[in-house]
Formats: sequence, structure tokens, C-alpha cells
Amino acid sequence: GDSVTQMEGPVTLSEEAFLTINCTYTATGYPSLFWYVQYPGEGLQLLLKATKADDKGSNKGFEATYRKETTSFHLEKGSVQVSDSAVYFCALSTTGNQFYFGTGTSLTVIP
Amino acid sequence: DAGVTQSPTHLIKTRGQHVTLRCSPISGHKSVSWYQQVLGQGPQFIFQYYEKEERGRGNFPDRFSARQFPNYSSELNVNALLLGDSALYLCASSSLADSYNEQFFGPGTRLTVL
Repeated sequence: GDSVTQMEGPVTLSEEAFLTINCTYTATGYPSLFWYVQYPGEGLQLLLKATKADDKGSNKGFEATYRKETTSFHLEKGSVQVSDSAVYFCALSTTGNQFYFGTGTSLTVIP
Repeated sequence: DAGVTQSPTHLIKTRGQHVTLRCSPISGHKSVSWYQQVLGQGPQFIFQYYEKEERGRGNFPDRFSARQFPNYSSELNVNALLLGDSALYLCASSSLADSYNEQFFGPGTRLTVL
């Protein structure tokens, strides 16, 4: 069945470090791919998305490229800030009405 | 505009009881989805409703049911509660049945089953 495998956490980085959170997927169709973020004490928010192969989603300095050949959608940011500390979830949807989420990766950025 | 609202915020029940959780979508949104998030895990899809019809169902037992009302608000019902039903229940709304569009999540209802 459809599923998402996400890099285990937690991840701790110093401010201005480079961030990569790995995400790979298994899907029978042609999924859309998403990254959601959950800041402390808040609900899930969409960070970025890509709906077809080779698309790049970007938002707030974060980027992820839909790689069909490697079935991946890795999240990257060139220079993290303390305010980026949150839990990040990779997700996919193939039918448009059912989402599959990864287990989440907790990121802590220290000054 | 108000975001997705859910009630109650927290709930404590005992095994075997029944629970009803409520969700109001963003104004104008006709699609509501329900998710279960166990501590330390990602959200697991339970149901999606659009225009009062069920459009998707996840791998949950028949003890879980839901409905959507004419004003697009929704209820999630869980019967014969088990300890394993303890989780954060999330509601998400979107403007279309096609959830390739952004889903907006509510803050969740924290259910504890004793």
C-alpha cells in the first residue's frame, strides 16, 4: 500500500546550519507530495507541496524536489533559524482524498 | 476569518464508553477529513467527507463512524472505546474534494481512555 518513510529524529542543529530531512515514498499511482510543519503548541500547517515529478516546492527558505526515479521528497534549508524548531511531517496523497503521513522528524535549532 | 475549530479540547473517557468529537471547517470549505495522531507518530487518516458524503475511509474498525451536516460541520463518533484509542484527533478542511489542495488543520481534541 501507499506509505511514507521519514528520517528518524530528533535532529539538533546550530543556527545557520544546513538542514536535510529525508523522505521516501511508496505509491501505486502518481502521488502529490507534501511537507507539513507543527510548531510547538500549534496545529499542522502546510509548508510546501509538489504535485508531479521534477516539481520543486518551496516556502520560507525550505525546498523539496519531487524525484520519481528515487521516490524521494527530501526537505532542505540552507540556513536554519531558531524559529524553525518544530516537528516536520512528510505526506503523500494519490487519490486526492486520503493522505499518508510519515512519523515526523523533530528539529531543534540552538543559537 | 476563523480557522478550523474542534471541540472539546480535551476529553477523558473510560473503556467501553462512547465519544463524539466535533469539527467546524473554515467558512466556505466543503470537505472535512479526520485523522488520529498517536503520540510520537504521524497522523493516520480515518475519514474524508465532502458535501455530506463519505469520500474516503482509512483502515479503522467499524467502531469509528462520522457524518457531515448541511452546514459542513462534522462529527466523529467512536464506540466501545479501547485504551488504544487514546490519541490526538485532528480535523482538517479544504475547499474541494480533491485534497491536492491545501488541507487546513484544527488544533485537535486530545482523547484519553482510562
